[in-house]
Amino acid sequence: KNQVEQSPQSLIILEGKNCTLQCNYTVSPFSNLRWYKQDTGRGPVSLTIMTFSENTKSNGRYTATLDADTKQSSLHITASQLSDSASYICVVKETGFQKLVFGTGTRLLVSP
Amino acid sequence: EAQVTQNPRYLITVTGKKLTVTCSQNMNHEYMSWYRQDPGLGLRQIYYSMNVEVTDKGDVPEGYKVSRKEKRNFPLILESPSPNQTSLYFCASSLNPGQAGELFFGEGSRLTVL
Repeated sequence: KNQVEQSPQSLIILEGKNCTLQCNYTVSPFSNLRWYKQDTGRGPVSLTIMTFSENTKSNGRYTATLDADTKQSSLHITASQLSDSASYICVVKETGFQKLVFGTGTRLLVSP
Repeated sequence: EAQVTQNPRYLITVTGKKLTVTCSQNMNHEYMSWYRQDPGLGLRQIYYSMNVEVTDKGDVPEGYKVSRKEKRNFPLILESPSPNQTSLYFCASSLNPGQAGELFFGEGSRLTVL
């Protein structure tokens, strides 16, 4: 069964610190992986997409990595800000199908 | 402004009283989908539509209906709501999810069924 598992479930860090969120998946054959940010009470918004051939991609203070061999992705947040407090959702797409597999998300709280 | 609009944003209803949550997008997207989000379970797909008059079940379709008569609209219908349908609902659209298309989500509709 195709699954996406995220860790940790929740995380509290101090403002200005870095953190890394993990996403492990069993989806095969793999097409792409997206990280979404969901602010409380809002809909998710895409941060970045990783395709099979990409290892690292940055979007401002967010850097995503992908290891397609081990089926792992990470989202690294540098110099965290209070506005980074949100849930981060990993979504993986299987090649040839329209179906997306969602992780349950990591809830990040950045404390002043 | 490109957006997905859901209504109502908040709704409290009683068991068995039919309700419809509307969803409209102005991006000319072919793909639209409904999700429910529950604590600890993440986003689960209810129904999706690849184009007008083409709909299909997602992972949790029981108790829901949809229709796609126009490209921009994709309403979610609860014919006889039950308390286990209390949830946060999201509508999303995409140009082409089959080719790495990004999902654009609405702001969510929080439904409580008493």
